[in-house]
Amino acid sequence: GQQVMQIPQYQHVQEGEDFTTYCNSSTTLSNIQWYKQRPGGHPVFLIQLVKSGEVKKQKRLTFQFGEAKKNSSLHITATQTTDVGTYFCAGRALYSGAGSYQLTFGKGTKLSVIP
Amino acid sequence: ETGVTQSPTHLIKTRGQQVTLRCSSQSGHNTVSWYQQALGQGPQFIFQYYREEENGRGNFPPRFSGLQFPNYSSELNVNALELDDSALYLCASSLAPTSGGLQETQYFGPGTRLLVL
Repeated sequence: GQQVMQIPQYQHVQEGEDFTTYCNSSTTLSNIQWYKQRPGGHPVFLIQLVKSGEVKKQKRLTFQFGEAKKNSSLHITATQTTDVGTYFCAGRALYSGAGSYQLTFGKGTKLSVIP
Repeated sequence: ETGVTQSPTHLIKTRGQQVTLRCSSQSGHNTVSWYQQALGQGPQFIFQYYREEENGRGNFPPRFSGLQFPNYSSELNVNALELDDSALYLCASSLAPTSGGLQETQYFGPGTRLLVL
C-alpha cells in the first residue's frame, strides 16, 4: 500500500534558525496536506497543495509540492518558540478509487526550538 | 477551536472489552473520518463516513466498526480490545470533496485517549 515517509524524525534548532522537513510518497499523489500538532493536542490543518511544482507561503512557512507529485517540503524561516510541535504531511494517492478519500500520514517531524 | 467534539476524553479498558467513542462534527459537515494515532506515530486512517455510509476503509480489522447518524455525528466501536489498541483516537469532519480529487479541509477533534490494560 501507499507509504508516506518524513525526514528528519526529530529536529532541534536554536531560535532564529531555519527548519525544513521533507515528505516522500511511494506513489503519485493527487494532493498533499500539512498539519501541525502541538504536544498533547490534535492535528491542525495548515495547507493543501494540489498542482505539480506548487509553492505556497504562509508568513514564515513555505510549502512546496514536487514536480512529480511524490514529494513535498515545509520550510520555516527564523523559527520561534511558538513553532514547537510535530509537523505531519498527509497525502491522498492519485488512484485511490472512487469514493475513497483516505489520507496517508507520515510519521511526522518533531520540532524543538531552543530559546 | 474547530467545533468538532469527541467524548470521552480519556478511557481505560481491559483486554477483550468493547468500547464506543463518539464524535460530533462541525456544523454543516457531512463527512467524518476516524484515525488511530499511536504514541510517536502519525494518524492512521480507520474509515470515513459520508451521509451515513462507509466511504473508504483503511487497514483495520472488522472489529473496528462505525456509524454515522442523520445529524452527521459518528461513533467508532471497537470489539475485543487488544493492548495494541491503546492510542489517541481522532475524528475529523469535512465537507465532501469537490470534483477533481481535491481533499476538503479536515477539522480534527481533540481526540479520545484509550488505554487498554
